[in-house]
Amino acid sequence: SQTIHQWPATLVQPVGSPLSLECTVEGTSNPNLYWYRQAAGRGLQLLFYSVGIGQISSEVPQNLSASRPQDRQFILSSKKLLLSDSGFYLCAWSVTGEDGYTFGSGTRLTVV
Amino acid sequence: QKEVEQDPGPLSVPEGAIVSLNCTYSNSAFQYFMWYRQYSRKGPELLMYTYSSGNKEDGRFTAQVDKSSKYISLFIRDSQPSDSATYLCAMNDMRFGAGTRLTVKP
Repeated sequence: SQTIHQWPATLVQPVGSPLSLECTVEGTSNPNLYWYRQAAGRGLQLLFYSVGIGQISSEVPQNLSASRPQDRQFILSSKKLLLSDSGFYLCAWSVTGEDGYTFGSGTRLTVV
Repeated sequence: QKEVEQDPGPLSVPEGAIVSLNCTYSNSAFQYFMWYRQYSRKGPELLMYTYSSGNKEDGRFTAQVDKSSKYISLFIRDSQPSDSATYLCAMNDMRFGAGTRLTVKP
């Protein structure tokens, strides 16, 4: 069966520090991968999606970046965090994008 | 106009009530419609998935799509306290509604 792993579960980082969040998928090949951010009390904002290794599409201009170094690995990074980067970050995968998404358990990031 | 509009609530109902959750969308090209349930501090989980117009039933849950009105609904019958969560609608271009927070009181 397919599983998605996301870590860490919680993270507190100072302003200006770097960020690296990792997401891996097991049990499937060539998945579509997504990074979403959910601010407190708000909906899901699509940040990046990837349909293959090295292929990244950005939805929102910001100080975040994403990379897909392997088929089932998706990384969200920042060189310098801002206070506004605080939120709940979710990784998700799908087969076609039209079959529904499976989400990881999320990383709660607080920038202080 | 946002592509997907959803009343954020919050919505509070007594146990056993029928709940109606709704979303409107602007892009008539959308063909796939999904409802997700998200418990506090957890990732969303896929609850219902429908294609094009019509109804789909799964236990106490019914998803309804009206493409002519660009309107989708999720009905929960005999609501339970365990249904207390945030419900998000989503379309096939990875866009989500803001989510409606539902509380079912015993």
